Amino acid sequence: EAGVTQFPSHSVIEKGQTVTLRCDPISGHDNLYWYRRVMGKEIKFLLHFVKESKQDESGMPNNRFLAERTGGTYSTLKVQPAELEDSGVYFCASSQGPGKNEKLFFGSGTQLSVL
Amino acid sequence: GESVGLHLPTLSVQEGDNSIINCAYSNSASDYFIWYKQESGKGPQFIIDIRSNMDKRQGQRVTVLLNKTVKHLSLQIAATQPGDSAVYFCAENGASGGYNKLIFGAGTRLAVHP
Repeated sequence: EAGVTQFPSHSVIEKGQTVTLRCDPISGHDNLYWYRRVMGKEIKFLLHFVKESKQDESGMPNNRFLAERTGGTYSTLKVQPAELEDSGVYFCASSQGPGKNEKLFFGSGTQLSVL
Repeated sequence: GESVGLHLPTLSVQEGDNSIINCAYSNSASDYFIWYKQESGKGPQFIIDIRSNMDKRQGQRVTVLLNKTVKHLSLQIAATQPGDSAVYFCAENGASGGYNKLIFGAGTRLAVHP
């Protein structure tokens, strides 16, 4: 069974440009999460989808970030316009059930570098 | 994938020794805790979890201990192997609702020497 896959694995862009990250969760996983780790700090929660609905987007840093999950399958996270402080690793994770203690499966992340 | 951070605390152990990685958590109301292992270029991988109604849980070569009084979590790895070299994160579930809104610790790098 394929795990959580993320594209691209690395992205280098200039400040002011737009970048779109993609996440394909494990097939059948309704719950999808985005986390990120910036500048060697802790991994932090960004948002949570159940199918195509955003359940909690309290971790999204500002309105330059837009996450979507049309059709409840893959998700995209767009940063527009990107700023230097957005550099870091963006992880996607998915779980099968809605339960609080459902095991999360993480992707390998997208390393974003904003120059 | 990620190249893990350069400034993490590091625990260096000899192959075959036991390792103990410690973590302090922040929210006394958290009731679920997880340890993750992250190897270079990969995402966090689940190792073991524990609920707050327990103080110890064992897996294969790993044991997690929970001390709610001092909000402390530890991961013990028995007979550490070179393949255990990675960054280890503790995480607590901070969500008041029914989903996984994890709060991660800063991480500890485990370096295993032959």
